[in-house]
Amino acid sequence: AQKVTQAQTEISVVEKEDVTLDCVYETRDTTYYLFWYKQPPSGELVFLIRRNSFDEQNEISGRYSWNFQKSTSSFNFTITASQVVDSAVYFCAPFSGNTGKLIFGQGTTLQVKP
Amino acid sequence: DAGITQSPRYKITETGRQVTLMCHQTWSHSYMFWYRQDLGHGLRLIYYSAAADITDKGEVPDGYVVSRSKTENFPLTLESATRSQTSVYFCASSESSPEGAFFGQGTRLTVV
Repeated sequence: AQKVTQAQTEISVVEKEDVTLDCVYETRDTTYYLFWYKQPPSGELVFLIRRNSFDEQNEISGRYSWNFQKSTSSFNFTITASQVVDSAVYFCAPFSGNTGKLIFGQGTTLQVKP
Repeated sequence: DAGITQSPRYKITETGRQVTLMCHQTWSHSYMFWYRQDLGHGLRLIYYSAAADITDKGEVPDGYVVSRSKTENFPLTLESATRSQTSVYFCASSESSPEGAFFGQGTRLTVV
């Protein structure tokens, strides 16, 4: 079974602040992948990053960075120097390598104010 | 065009009618998914499919039927639409060792 929790429903920051979005997942799968998606006000779902269960290396891509810790079942996402265009709903989504099931957390709404 | 396409983009139907939402992908991805998105509920998985002729229930399958006779198509049918099925529906596809799951643009369905 899989379960994903994004405890932060809404976050509001002022432009240029750093912000971290939390994701905690539970799974019994031996092989799984974790995704982050962004859904801007226009509604489309934009894929941001993937991590697999064997790769705990953190990653930085521009202003985005991800911290994956298997020991704490967390896959957190940080935006450095936030911008107004980062305002969106962000979803954490685990994919089961055993069943092929992909579920989504409830999402965190990020508002970046100028 | 390569990618994943949903049709129609918008649909209004009456309670009790059958309606089918179409999803087509050109990547030959193994997995396909249907989600509904409602305010306050994020994306909830309705059905998913690991390959042609293999489908499984997700979190909220009641009132929906799917089929997958071809790898590239994954239609979702509401057998007798109800107002509670008013939602935005997203289709997605991915490989079995996915680089990511990729989404269609969504279908906004209103049941009146």
